[in-house]
Amino acid sequence: GENVEQHPSTLSVQEGDSAVIKCTYSDSASNYFPWYKQELGKRPQLIIDIRSNVGEKKDQRIAVTLNKTAKHFSLHITETQPEDSAVYFCAGTTGGTSYGKLTFGQGTILTVHP
Amino acid sequence: NAGVTQTPKFRVLKTGQSMTLLCAQDMNHEYMYWYRQDPGMGLRLIHYSVGEGTTAKGEVPDGYNVSRLKKQNFLLGLESAAPSQTSVYFCASSYLSSYGYTFGSGTRLTVV
Repeated sequence: GENVEQHPSTLSVQEGDSAVIKCTYSDSASNYFPWYKQELGKRPQLIIDIRSNVGEKKDQRIAVTLNKTAKHFSLHITETQPEDSAVYFCAGTTGGTSYGKLTFGQGTILTVHP
Repeated sequence: NAGVTQTPKFRVLKTGQSMTLLCAQDMNHEYMYWYRQDPGMGLRLIHYSVGEGTTAKGEVPDGYNVSRLKKQNFLLGLESAAPSQTSVYFCASSYLSSYGYTFGSGTRLTVV
């Protein structure tokens, strides 16, 4: 089955800096990679996703890149703000007969200092 | 449109007791999932369902059972609770394979 590794486990930045979180996956058949943000005591919420036929996707200050050859994908947050502080999870799935089962990384605690 | 609703939000059980967690979605999603979240371990899949009347095991199914008698509801049961089942449980649903999940608000379960 799929295995997803996420780094770093904690990340501390100053407001306005950029933050990068990286994930690697094991199953070369994986084709869908979402990122979730979870604020303290809240549910995970989808913030951006990318499919295997795309190398990069942007949504305002958030971008995700995918390198299928190296089997890794990254989340980039620019101009960070204190409200970006949360736990971020990457995930991957092979779709199809895996029925959309997402395998999650271990999470990254992002702290943005004002 | 409530999305995904989980009940209860909090529960304390004694070892050996049983309980059922209810997940309800009003988005007509086919796929539903139960995950548990433990510190430093991300979210791990317990059981999932690809449609009414179907269930399947995930990564950590031992000690849990599920049922999906109606498309909108997915129940997670603990027959004999153990302290190792202390966790936060999230239900999620998705429209199709390879689509993002909508999560419920979670159930914080403590087994003493």
